[in-house]
Amino acid sequence: AQSVTQPDIHITVSEGASLELRCNYSYGATPYLFWYVQSPGQGLQLLLKYFSGDTLVQGIKGFEAEFKRSQSSFNLRKPSVHWSDAAEYFCAVEASGGSYIPTFGRGTSLIVHP
Amino acid sequence: DAGVIQSPRHEVTEMGQEVTLRCKPISGHDYLFWYRQTMMRGLELLIYFNNNVPIDDSGMPEDRFSAKMPNASFSTLKIQPSEPRDSAVYFCASSLGGPSYQPQHFGDGTRLSIL
Repeated sequence: AQSVTQPDIHITVSEGASLELRCNYSYGATPYLFWYVQSPGQGLQLLLKYFSGDTLVQGIKGFEAEFKRSQSSFNLRKPSVHWSDAAEYFCAVEASGGSYIPTFGRGTSLIVHP
Repeated sequence: DAGVIQSPRHEVTEMGQEVTLRCKPISGHDYLFWYRQTMMRGLELLIYFNNNVPIDDSGMPEDRFSAKMPNASFSTLKIQPSEPRDSAVYFCASSLGGPSYQPQHFGDGTRLSIL
């Protein structure tokens, strides 16, 4: 079975600074990978996904993530953080070939200082 | 296109009462999921349906919890009797499987408080 680890519970950055949120997964083959964002009082919203092909994927709100097979990682990045990016971020992994059942990490809470 | 719709958004009730949470998935989606989110345990999958049929309910914590999906556009999660430890945010999500696979879309959740 697949698993996912988000090693950082909280990340604090200044507005305008760059951001990288870490995600490591465990799966025997190349999985499907996702990043979701959860703003206060709302459900999870998909930021981006990786199924295959180009290992650098672009998402909404200026986010991107890079799949690195050798490191079993799928880190989320943004070059310049805005105060509105403060939220909870979840990485998820799913068995490729269509299990349709993702496994979610525990989440990373992003705090943005003005 | 309307997203996943959950009701109510907030529910406060006394322990021992029956609680019913409702979900309308995105039209055309054939998978429906119920999750529970707490600070202590994070996001937990309770049960999921495929084409209205429950596939895996191993995440349902106790017999007090039950879920139904009588048709493709409606699902309920019921707790009877409710207990204070059931307090959490409950999310419904839906997705499209098959060759047109789409990742999960989440509703805004029901914040449940059991007094």
